Amino acid sequence: SAVISQKPSRDICQRGTSLTIQCQVDSQVTMMFWYRQQPGQSLTLIATANQGSEATYESGFVIDKFPISRPNLTFSTLTVSNMSPEDSSIYLCSVNRGRPEGYGYTFGSGTRLTVV
Amino acid sequence: SQQGEEDPQALSIQEGENATMNCSYKTSINNLQWYRQNSGRGLVHLILIRSNEREKHSGRLRVTLDTSKKSSSLLITASRAADTASYFCATPAMNTGFQKLVFGTGTRLLVSP
Repeated sequence: SAVISQKPSRDICQRGTSLTIQCQVDSQVTMMFWYRQQPGQSLTLIATANQGSEATYESGFVIDKFPISRPNLTFSTLTVSNMSPEDSSIYLCSVNRGRPEGYGYTFGSGTRLTVV
Repeated sequence: SQQGEEDPQALSIQEGENATMNCSYKTSINNLQWYRQNSGRGLVHLILIRSNEREKHSGRLRVTLDTSKKSSSLLITASRAADTASYFCATPAMNTGFQKLVFGTGTRLLVSP
């Protein structure tokens, strides 16, 4: 099963700035998923990152606000741009551990972002 | 939204007691998964049950699935303080080729010594 290294684990940022979150996977994966978890809430999918193509964004999320890079099959970044306090959340990356119906998903340890 | 509902939202029990959490979902599925999240950190995959299965066990965990009612339950037996966490059910979204996970609202479990 895949192991994901996500960083930073937490950050406190000023409004109007940007933060880039990195996820490194120890094996090659086709899709990487980025989630947001607002305080006390469940996880909401932001986008799916595919190597060699543009990320696919879910309704309510746009590329200008959450640009994603996927330079190879083991790495992806999510940038939270022009941050406001409403962006304070935990951000998580995830990959499928095996066949879609096989083994569940592996998650990074999360990035706890606080915007002040 | 495809997000499922879980109940209870919060559950407080004593060590040694059993904890049961329920999940309802809205669409057809090929499997349903349960995850645990400690203190707002990354999620850990606990168990996966396929749509043609009705019950599955893993250690102290028992999961049931009723596709006719679009519901699942997670039972943790003989709970321990270390089981304190949030628990989420998740289903691969059919309209995405079962690639994207849709999460339930979660149950916060507190197990007191």
